[in-house]
Amino acid sequence: KAGVTQTPRYLIKTRGQQVTLSCSPISGHRSVSWYQQTPGQGLQFLFEYFSETQRNKGNFPGRFSGRQFSNSRSEMNVSTLELGDSALYLCASSPRDSSIPYEQYFGPGTRLTVT
Amino acid sequence: AQSVSQHNHHVILSEAASLELGCNYSYGGTVNLFWYVQYPGQHLQLLLKYFSGDPLVKGIKGFEAEFIKSKFSFNLRKPSVQWSDTAEYFCAVSTLHSGAGSYQLTFGKGTKLSVIP
Repeated sequence: KAGVTQTPRYLIKTRGQQVTLSCSPISGHRSVSWYQQTPGQGLQFLFEYFSETQRNKGNFPGRFSGRQFSNSRSEMNVSTLELGDSALYLCASSPRDSSIPYEQYFGPGTRLTVT
Repeated sequence: AQSVSQHNHHVILSEAASLELGCNYSYGGTVNLFWYVQYPGQHLQLLLKYFSGDPLVKGIKGFEAEFIKSKFSFNLRKPSVQWSDTAEYFCAVSTLHSGAGSYQLTFGKGTKLSVIP
């Protein structure tokens, strides 16, 4: 079974621009979560989607948004990029609805650099 | 809010040495616990997990972890490390986010392990 895939793998953007990152979960997985990983803050939860609905959201500003499609693929968008948004953005999928605890499977991440 | 503490930022060991990485969490309710590993240039992989039952859980590659509820701890151990264990290790706790009715993973900041041949 193919793992979680994320595109693009690397991205360089300028402050003020917006960016869209894409995630394809493991086949059959319907839950997708997004995390931001930085050296200072570690891994921080952004949001989680299940069946095209946002189930949970972390403590990030409204510039960070996401969506999930009927095929479970997910995108996250960051508008008006700031230098501090430079990070590795990780997507994780799970076969279960998050109302049930279950492990998550992570993709390789998208490395976003904001200049 | 719940938090996860990994007290060791960087651990350096020689091959064949024993390993113990500390993980403590702050949450009074039911928890589900995980250790993930990130090898250089690779994505996060699940090492082991604890949901219930025997508090001593065994994972891949000879790793094990012990859940001690009274100490709010879930320490990772390996009796003899190899150079290939060089990686960053993350402890994570899944707790019920009552407002959303969903479980959310909270990660520690990670411990880098360097194994010297």
